[in-house]
Amino acid sequence: NAGVTQTPKFQVLKTGQSMTLQCAQDMNHEYMSWYRQDPGMGLRLIHYSVGAGITDQGEVPNGYNVSRSTTEDFPLRLLSAAPSQTSVYFCASSYRQGVQETQYFGPGTRLLVL
Amino acid sequence: AQKVTQAQTEISVVEKEDVTLDCVYETRDTTYYLFWYKQPPSGELVFLIRRNSFDEQNEISGRYSWNFQKSTSSFNFTITASQVVDSAVYFCALSESTAGYSSASKIIFGSGTRLSIRP
Repeated sequence: NAGVTQTPKFQVLKTGQSMTLQCAQDMNHEYMSWYRQDPGMGLRLIHYSVGAGITDQGEVPNGYNVSRSTTEDFPLRLLSAAPSQTSVYFCASSYRQGVQETQYFGPGTRLLVL
Repeated sequence: AQKVTQAQTEISVVEKEDVTLDCVYETRDTTYYLFWYKQPPSGELVFLIRRNSFDEQNEISGRYSWNFQKSTSSFNFTITASQVVDSAVYFCALSESTAGYSSASKIIFGSGTRLSIRP
């Protein structure tokens, strides 16, 4: 298994540009999510999905869109990049077995908006 | 409102010492989940544990152990016989979930504790 993969690893954008951060997992996990991590801080949930066709907003959804057309893929779209979106973005997937839940993270995408 | 406090910003210990990372949380819900994550210098994130609010049993996994005490709203993490590879930033987090998956609602992270293990 490749686990959770993210592309690109690093991206520089100009203010106002749009782009899509890709996330894929090959573990057949139903639940996937996107977080951002700003310097010296913990993660904040942007959007999440509990299965194909189902998405919902997290703590900081403004400026981002998501879709979940397949179980494997969960892309994050920046509609019009702003310097405040400079951050490291992590995608995660998880599965539940009984009362236990295990979460896996991708390697992250470092985004710089000028 | 939800809140997670990790009062220890940085901790430095010598290898083989035991170290405890503190986590205090605030929530109004009776059903909630607590997490610990590790972020080594390489930057990846590693999920360590999830504990639900109805399970106050302490958890041990190798050199790692977690102490959950609802009476003090704490979920502390202890590393026994620390090793250099334990050097990382550790995050405690809280989720108040109403969905089937605990992660399917807002997860609030603490600001993290940077742990340095000196050889």
